[in-house]
Amino acid sequence: GAVVSQHPSRVICKSGTSVKIECRSLDFQATTMFWYRQFPKQSLMLMATSNEGSKATYEQGVEKDKFLINHASLTLSTLTVTSAHPEDSSFYICSAKGTGHYHTGELFFGEGSRLTVL
Amino acid sequence: SQQGEEDPQALSIQEGENATMNCSYKTSINNLQWYRQNSGRGLVHLILIRSNEREKHSGRLRVTLDTSKKSSSLLITASRAADTASYFCATDARNTDKLIFGTGTRLQVFP
Repeated sequence: GAVVSQHPSRVICKSGTSVKIECRSLDFQATTMFWYRQFPKQSLMLMATSNEGSKATYEQGVEKDKFLINHASLTLSTLTVTSAHPEDSSFYICSAKGTGHYHTGELFFGEGSRLTVL
Repeated sequence: SQQGEEDPQALSIQEGENATMNCSYKTSINNLQWYRQNSGRGLVHLILIRSNEREKHSGRLRVTLDTSKKSSSLLITASRAADTASYFCATDARNTDKLIFGTGTRLQVFP
């Protein structure tokens, strides 16, 4: 299947700092990417839809100034957690909607990034 | 919330047994998908069933869809220890690109 690369896989930061997470589609151009957040033993909660070349669409209750999303190219979307606090500690997962040969309706997921804010 | 619900939340079985997970959702859909997640990893797509389909097979997986009841089931036959993972259903609401995930079922298969 198609590969979506997410980096870093783990990050520990101090409270008040900002952290950037990258999501790259390696096998196709991803005009649409999605960012999810997952708490331990819970489901994935959609945070935002990232569209190449336009502003991200955030789900209700997600602070867009807190979670900055940039989708500047067809293969890269970034999520920046600004002024991180311990309650932002979570597992963040990106996914990309396949295009071309990979336009099957499924999403291709990165391996996730575990953020720990001290 | 649009999130679907799955039951059971957790399921423990012996190798060789079948595992059945159920998913209920709330809105009209184009398709329903099932994903698997190993602990601390990303999700892997298992199978997609379209709203006009009632049943679909892929290897040891069998998925059913009942749009009148807004429900789906995933059956894993002849389970293996390697099937131990969390399983999520996901639906796309009509006219959107978004996938909304169910609450998930944690499956443990004992050797």
